[in-house]
Amino acid sequence: EVQLVQSGAEVKKPGESLKISCKGSGYSFTSYWIGWVRQMPGKGLEWMGIIYPGDSDTRYSPSFQGQVTISADKSISTAYLQWSSLKASDTAMYYCARAGIAAAGTDFDYWGQGTLVTVSS
Amino acid sequence: DIQMTQSPSTLSASVGDRVTITCRASQSISSWLAWYQQKPGKAPKLLIYKASSLESGVPSRFSGSGSGTEFTLTISSLQPDDFATYYCQQYNSYERTFGQGTKVEIK
Repeated sequence: EVQLVQSGAEVKKPGESLKISCKGSGYSFTSYWIGWVRQMPGKGLEWMGIIYPGDSDTRYSPSFQGQVTISADKSISTAYLQWSSLKASDTAMYYCARAGIAAAGTDFDYWGQGTLVTVSS
Repeated sequence: DIQMTQSPSTLSASVGDRVTITCRASQSISSWLAWYQQKPGKAPKLLIYKASSLESGVPSRFSGSGSGTEFTLTISSLQPDDFATYYCQQYNSYERTFGQGTKVEIK
């Protein structure tokens, strides 16, 4: 069974750093792109970027380029989303999702349960 | 980048109604379009991929159509479990874009 299990909720202060995780199981982790999606409170879904764990090829949405870093450790089948200096506006639910074997032309067929990040002083 | 515009933003309907949601792309995306359902507090769920292919396990009352720039999601007979928010997403390029969502409410 394909599963993506995300790390737990986080409460941070502005300016702090954070790295959240997404562990894949039940499939060949290195063969499928993994994407990250933001959902701010009461708002819609925003695509942030994707990574191919096989070689760490990473593509970012222009809206998130330079604001976050996406990485992966294929040895432990885990993808990451990290911030070096959080802002209150980063408060949101973050989802990881599995895409296909190609960067384009593939939907998100499996999703993690989401990680709620709250940034408040 | 490709913009996706969904309509309507909110839809009020009754159980048994036929419901149609539209999604328009700012440029041609061939058939590289997916539809997702999201319920409050839950992750999105894939319903339709490649514009008209039904994901395994999804009820047949859901259907998708369209190509190029105009797409529709149809629920043939709305059921109580279908009240949720629906999103389209293009994946013509690695830059995937979501529509703003359509909330289907009980009338």
